[in-house]
Amino acid sequence: EIVVTQSPATLSLSPGERATLSCRASQSLSNYLAWYQQKPGQAPRLLIYDASKRATGIPARFSGSGSGTDFTLTISSLDPEDFAVYYCQQRRNSPLTFGGGTKVENK
Amino acid sequence: EVQLVESGGGLVQPGGSQRLSCAASGFTLSDYTMHWVRQAPGKGLEYVAAVSHDGGSTYYGSSVKGRFTISRDNSENTVYLQMDSLRPEDTAVYYCAREKGGYDYWGQGTLVTVSS
Repeated sequence: EIVVTQSPATLSLSPGERATLSCRASQSLSNYLAWYQQKPGQAPRLLIYDASKRATGIPARFSGSGSGTDFTLTISSLDPEDFAVYYCQQRRNSPLTFGGGTKVENK
Repeated sequence: EVQLVESGGGLVQPGGSQRLSCAASGFTLSDYTMHWVRQAPGKGLEYVAAVSHDGGSTYYGSSVKGRFTISRDNSENTVYLQMDSLRPEDTAVYYCAREKGGYDYWGQGTLVTVSS
């Protein structure tokens, strides 16, 4: 089973700042990685798939990069609605494991 | 409009069984691999199971393998999760999700509580 590790666990930032979230896999994923956003009481929402492709309707301030074992989700300028928990998921091998999440909180 | 609606959650005793359903609408179910993902209270997301578009292949997370069974009925536009030998640690919100790239559509979730 591929282990996926996210860092940091919590990111404290202010609106307008840049957020950089990391995701590391225990073996190469090629580019088979997705990112999700989850707000309290809601189902997750797909942001990025195949490491760098934005899902339908996702604002351009969200971008994904990386390949192999190291990946990054960048939010270029935080909007108040972006404070949430973010998860990455590897899609290289079943079971399609998730990282533990990064909470982006309003400083 | 794509919709996924889960049902079948509730309170069940340890060792018991429960069957969840996911009713799909707004798209052709038989074109997609479908998944179940769960989230324990206050915790992160956990992959549970997947079934290929025609039901010919199934996949399971390590914590549910041998106890849970995923299936689908494309003629009824429904995906199922049969959960047996339930444990308190199976308590979670269970989500149904469609796979396209990642999970592009999710249901609202159904809560399963395993407790005596």
